[in-house]
Amino acid sequence: EIVLTQSPATLSLSPGERATLSCRASQSVSSYLAWYQQKPGQAPRLLIYDASNRATGIPARFSGSGSGTDFTLTISSLEPEDFAVYYCQQRSNWPPEVTFGQGTRLEIK
Amino acid sequence: QVQLQESGPGLVKPSETLSLTCAVSGYSISSGYYWGWIRQPPGKGLEWIGSIYHSGSTYYNPSLKSRVTISVDTSKNQFSLKLSSVTAADTAVYYCARSAVVVPGDFDYWGQGTLVTVSS
Repeated sequence: EIVLTQSPATLSLSPGERATLSCRASQSVSSYLAWYQQKPGQAPRLLIYDASNRATGIPARFSGSGSGTDFTLTISSLEPEDFAVYYCQQRSNWPPEVTFGQGTRLEIK
Repeated sequence: QVQLQESGPGLVKPSETLSLTCAVSGYSISSGYYWGWIRQPPGKGLEWIGSIYHSGSTYYNPSLKSRVTISVDTSKNQFSLKLSSVTAADTAVYYCARSAVVVPGDFDYWGQGTLVTVSS
């Protein structure tokens, strides 16, 4: 099983600042890495797929990068609605398997 | 607009079988993509349970495989989850979701989630 480790566990920033979230895989996942945002009481929302592609309707301030084992989600300038929990997720093509990271909580400083 | 809606009992007794259904609207399951179940224990992270294709091909999380069955009913445009021999550790919000790609994962449409509590 591929394990995803996210860091930091909690990130405290102010609106307008830049956020950098990390996700490290225990073995290479190529570019099969996605990012989600989850707000309290809501289902997760897909932000990024295939490491760097923004999902439909996702603002340009969200960007993803990386390949292999190290990935980054960057929010260029935080908006008040961006404070939430963020999860990374990998998908293995064979055997098909999906795992999530433990999450990073982005909180208002 | 693709919409998913989970339904099923909110309370299940220990050792019994948890059964949930996900009704899909705005998209035909028979048209493709994988359809999955994901759960989230209260205050914790996300766990993939498994996914199914419209043909009935299934893939499960190895840690749950012995207890999980996912099935699809294309005539009703819905898919279902059964989890047997439940314990308190299976208490969670259960989500159904559609994969954005042609393999399990990268879920672009989600249901609102349904809380299932395992308790006597």
